[in-house]
Amino acid sequence: SAVISQKPSRDICQRGTSLTIQCQVDSQVTMMFWYRQQPGQSLTLIATANQGSEATYESGFVIDKFPISRPNLTFSTLTVSNMSPEDSSIYLCSVEAGRTGFGTDTQYFGPGTRLTVL
Amino acid sequence: AQKVTQAQTEISVVEKEDVTLDCVYETRDTTYYLFWYKQPPSGELVFLIRRNSFDEQNEISGRYSWNFQKSTSSFNFTITASQVVDSAVYFCALSEIGSSNTGKLIFGQGTTLQVKP
Repeated sequence: SAVISQKPSRDICQRGTSLTIQCQVDSQVTMMFWYRQQPGQSLTLIATANQGSEATYESGFVIDKFPISRPNLTFSTLTVSNMSPEDSSIYLCSVEAGRTGFGTDTQYFGPGTRLTVL
Repeated sequence: AQKVTQAQTEISVVEKEDVTLDCVYETRDTTYYLFWYKQPPSGELVFLIRRNSFDEQNEISGRYSWNFQKSTSSFNFTITASQVVDSAVYFCALSEIGSSNTGKLIFGQGTTLQVKP
């Protein structure tokens, strides 16, 4: 498995501002993912971040709103830009522990960042 | 398209009861992984199990057991002798390995389990 930390753990922000969430892993990983969990809802993938390439965004999510950086194999950031109350959610990063010859490995999740936008 | 359905939104049991959480999935891929995660009130997502599409053996881990049936596209999760600490939201998820192999997890809507003392 992997040990994942996120900063901040929670924040309360004003409408129109931006927040950058950090995700740090204790080992080098190829694939990192960012998910959003709106209140009382399931998890939805925002984007996949691979080191050395542009993030791949899912339908309904755009780079201008959720820019992502992946400067190395242990770190990534997600920015929530120009926030509105609808962005109030838990944001979670996850990593694959390692790709096997069979394909996808298990994803382990960080503790999440609880964001409230007023 | 891929889809995971957890029809049970909320389940409430009394401690020591057995409880089964249902999960039904849809996929066109022949190779895929299925997962169960637990999300306690703290919010962190805890990995419980991964099962690949070629392995239909049931698995038991302590009080937890999983029943995978490809014929019905189901991957159900049973907790035996439930405890208050089992109270959480449980998510079933699917990851396609075949043509897409992006690592993307498709989550069900989750089942909230409340175990009363």
